Amino acid sequence: EVQLVESGGGLVQPGGSLRLSCVVSGSTFTTYSMSWVRQAPGKGLEWVASIRLDGSEKYYVDSVKGRFTISRDNAKNSLYLQMNSLRAEDTAVYYCAKNHVLYGRGWYYWYFDLWGRGTLVTVSS
Amino acid sequence: QPVLTQSSSASASLGSSVRLTCTLSSGHSRYIITWHQQQPGKAPRYLMNLEHSGNYNKGSGVPDRFSGSSSGADRYLTISNLQSDDEADYYCETWDSNTHVFGGGTKLTVL
Repeated sequence: EVQLVESGGGLVQPGGSLRLSCVVSGSTFTTYSMSWVRQAPGKGLEWVASIRLDGSEKYYVDSVKGRFTISRDNAKNSLYLQMNSLRAEDTAVYYCAKNHVLYGRGWYYWYFDLWGRGTLVTVSS
Repeated sequence: QPVLTQSSSASASLGSSVRLTCTLSSGHSRYIITWHQQQPGKAPRYLMNLEHSGNYNKGSGVPDRFSGSSSGADRYLTISNLQSDDEADYYCETWDSNTHVFGGGTKLTVL
């Protein structure tokens, strides 16, 4: 059974930094693209960033571009999110999510098929 | 980018059926969407992918009571024989040009 376990959340002051980790167990990490999704308190889900199998392609929501960096270490079955210049609006539970792809005739579609339990990031003075 | 619209809330009685709707924005009516369930205090859970044709494929362990259908730009999640455990937030999601988009979610109350 594949499991995703996040860590690294906590309380940080505005302008500070934090690094989140997600360890994947139970399957071959190198065959998965991965993402981070967040959820502000009482709000809905928001995609943050994605990284493909070998780390060569990375994608971000506009609100975190230039501040957050997604990365992975396939030797350690781990996904990371380096968060710099944190703002109050970054306060959220951050979920690690495994991606899966559907292929059709001339098209493909990425979606989230497994989620971690999340780690809470609070940005406050 | 596509926009997904969901009603903020829905309610139905224990043992009955409910249909939740996710509507794709103009120009995106043929997109595939994904339904996720989030029970109170828990992480989201993948339920199914749903195509414009109405074909859907469910995740492992998702009960038969959950089904999907489509009509134009609307994507439906139907839950039959409602159980108390079905009380949750339901989100639709889609993907386009390496960007994932979520609907605002529907909070389902089981009466």
